[in-house]
Formats: sequence, structure tokens, C-alpha cells
Amino acid sequence: GAGVSQSPSNKVTEKGKDVELRCDPISGHTALYWYRQSLGQGLEFLIYFQGNSAPDKSGLPSDRFSAERTGGSVSTLTIQRTQQEDSAVYLCASSPYYSNQPQHFGDGTRLSIL
Amino acid sequence: KNQVEQSPQSLIILEGKNCTLQCNYTVSPFSNLRWYKQDTGRGPVSLTIMTFSENTKSNGRYTATLDADTKQSSLHITASQLSDSASYICVVSANNAGNMLTFGGGTRLMVKP
Repeated sequence: GAGVSQSPSNKVTEKGKDVELRCDPISGHTALYWYRQSLGQGLEFLIYFQGNSAPDKSGLPSDRFSAERTGGSVSTLTIQRTQQEDSAVYLCASSPYYSNQPQHFGDGTRLSIL
Repeated sequence: KNQVEQSPQSLIILEGKNCTLQCNYTVSPFSNLRWYKQDTGRGPVSLTIMTFSENTKSNGRYTATLDADTKQSSLHITASQLSDSASYICVVSANNAGNMLTFGGGTRLMVKP
């Protein structure tokens, strides 16, 4: 498809397990963003990749969170030793080189920690 | 601290009626303001974007206004349809970079037949 694709759409896991969330941005988009949306809350910035520049990781809430972007395309958000407070919808967005703001969002991964 | 406050938190209207959603912000320095529509279980979709010099912008039945002096924006929906039922999110940028966006908590709109 032509949009931002995220997988899985839903993930249920036990507390303490590691999870990996995947984002396929729109082809050719140089910027990629991860956000977290907790129930009833606004979107919370996590991390921002722009081309070959060092990513802005200032929004990652703890060292259990990390993200990679391989080959300037697909990104993986990893949460280690998950906690119940990590339960949220994780949204990925991308934008082309001429825009520094997220233009196209994926539908998110709904993460539930039991 | 940069903040974006939206009101009301939720709103129920009848199909065909108009409504106005409010957004107040304290983000500085201001770069631009976007309104997004987020359907349940979906990602946000951009409706409008306005810079400092723009005070109104329309997208079909959606019209956004911006008063940069009072730091207020509104989103007016005309002749509402059932498909307008969604959350509407106001997002303000401090420096035109994705890592400097401040998101409002959204207004959840329900349009009833």
C-alpha cells in the first residue's frame, strides 16, 4: 500500500517480556517519528529519525526503550522488560525531506501488557 | 512549559448541525498549528495547517481559524455527518520540527442521527 504500515496491529504480552514494533514508512520519506498514545491522553513524542542524521531520542521514557532505522527505511521500536505502564498505542509517522513534521501516520500498534 | 489545551473534551451533536472545537496554546516560539482527525483505531489524519500569518483555512466542511495574538485556534465543522465522529487533535509546532510538536488531548466528537 501507499501509506505508513505498522505491525503488529495488536500485541498482548506478559510483563517482563521484550516486544518489537515495526514501522514501514512511505517509500522515499526521509523522516520517521514514533509516538505513544495512552488512553485519553495526547500523543507523546518518543524518537525522530531524519535521513542520515543522528536520531533525536529525547522523548524515550527510559533505557528500556530503543529504536533503529535500517537503511533509512524500516524502523523497529523495541521495549525491553515491559511494564504495565507501557500499555498504549504506538504510532509511527513519516514525512518527505522537505517537511520536518509528521505528515502521514500509520494506524498504530495497540500494546497491552498483562 | 509548552502546552496545548483543547475544549470541550467531548461533544455530542445531531447530524446536520454545526459545531466548533477550541484550542488554546502557550507554545513559544510559534511555528505552525495543525488540526488532525483521528478515527477510532486509526492514525491521525491532517486536516489543516496554519502558519503565523494565516488566520483561516478551509478543507471542505472543516474551517480552522487562528488568532496568534491570543494564541487560540478553532475548528468549525459545518453540516456534520455521521462520519465526522472522531477525535480532533490540535498540534502546535515550536520550530517546524517533528520533535518539537506539542499535542493537545483532543476533543472526542460524536455525531448522532
